Amino acid sequence: DVKVTQSSRYLVKRTGEKVFLECVQDMDHENMFWYRQDPGLGLRLIYFSYDVKMKEKGDIPEGYSVSREKKERFSLILESASTNQTSMYLCASSLNRGQYEKLFFGSGTQLSVL
Amino acid sequence: AQSVTQLDSQVPVFEEAPVELRCNYSSSVSVYLFWYVQYPNQGLQLLLKYLSGSTLVKGINGFEAEFNKSQTSFHLRKPSVHISDTAEYFCAVRGYSTLTFGKGTMLLVSP
Repeated sequence: DVKVTQSSRYLVKRTGEKVFLECVQDMDHENMFWYRQDPGLGLRLIYFSYDVKMKEKGDIPEGYSVSREKKERFSLILESASTNQTSMYLCASSLNRGQYEKLFFGSGTQLSVL
Repeated sequence: AQSVTQLDSQVPVFEEAPVELRCNYSSSVSVYLFWYVQYPNQGLQLLLKYLSGSTLVKGINGFEAEFNKSQTSFHLRKPSVHISDTAEYFCAVRGYSTLTFGKGTMLLVSP
């Protein structure tokens, strides 16, 4: 089975801190995605990547950046965390562009910004 | 542009009763539709998908969905639910390069 691992289940940070959320997949998938999940708003796409060193903006990229230096790892960066970035963050991967609809998700990181 | 509307934020139901979770979509490209399920404290997993062919799609755990082009709907159904089906269910439509998810429907199954 594909495994998508997010480094932290819960994270508490202070306003203004730089925050790194890490995601690793073990099945050589080309595509990786970062979503945030908020009650009543569902999942919203922040950034995605089709290949190493490539990135594309999703629907809500403001306040975030990403890094993909290796195929298996996709990092989400909050340059200066704010309270409105308190949320559940979900990482996902898929095999390649033709298969991108089958997403495999990590268990999520619940980030609280105080 | 693509969008998904899940008409109910919560659906309470008793165990062994039938259930329908409603989803309507709009899409400017070929229509590919999905249902994902999220159990408590877990990530999402694919329940079923419609890409082409038969409009009735069967998925895991006894769920099925019917694609209705004229009504732009893709409702999820199960004839008899179990307590273990308590979860949040997300409908999604494929866009040009990614999936667009609905806001989710929480299915609450009680004894």
